[in-house]
Amino acid sequence: QVQLQESGPGLVKPSETLSLTCTVSGGSISSYYWSWIRQPAGKGLEWIGRIYTSGSTNYNPSLKSRVTMSVDTSKNQFSLKLSSVTAADTAVYYCAREPWVITTFYGMDVWGQGTTVTVSS
Amino acid sequence: EIVLTQSPGTLSLSPGERATLSCRASQSVSSSYLAWYQQKPGQAPRLLIYGASSRATGIPDRFSGSGSGTDFTLTISRLEPEDFAVYYCQQYGSSSIFTFGPGTKVDIK
Repeated sequence: QVQLQESGPGLVKPSETLSLTCTVSGGSISSYYWSWIRQPAGKGLEWIGRIYTSGSTNYNPSLKSRVTMSVDTSKNQFSLKLSSVTAADTAVYYCAREPWVITTFYGMDVWGQGTTVTVSS
Repeated sequence: EIVLTQSPGTLSLSPGERATLSCRASQSVSSSYLAWYQQKPGQAPRLLIYGASSRATGIPDRFSGSGSGTDFTLTISRLEPEDFAVYYCQQYGSSSIFTFGPGTKVDIK
């Protein structure tokens, strides 16, 4: 079955750029939307944004100015960059798959295990 | 931006009891774009319900979703020990943006 694995530095300095990659295994990255979600310790889920395999993106308006997402279909990977990070960006970061058929949303049905990113000097 | 409110914040129940969780939206949400997730400590969220009332693959039939417009409900008919967790509702809006509710924690009474 399809599995997702987040990877990237666990520690990022304030004002620098957080970079994470999600690798899709057991299936193709093509023809799906792929989302990034984060969760500060003890808090709720925050959607960061999504990317389609064509490269089309949608971002959370509250983070839009700092977020860039990309996809590499040849590697079955998609990536997140979050610039100018502060301590408020410390969280567990998840990637997830969004299956859609035309206009039907089938939920975020596959999630990575999450990776903890701490912003600290 | 649509804001989701979940109530109660915490629900204390015993195994075997019925759990009723509410998700209210600040404006009307298409039922097609309303989902529910379960999250246990240290784990990623797990999809339970999509389209407001359709169970995801492998989800037991004790979980059911209902509602429309601004009011949605997740019901767990008889709580099993493994159902004690935090539950989030999620909506997809007209600006191609997702939002999550703050969550309801179901804990053991």
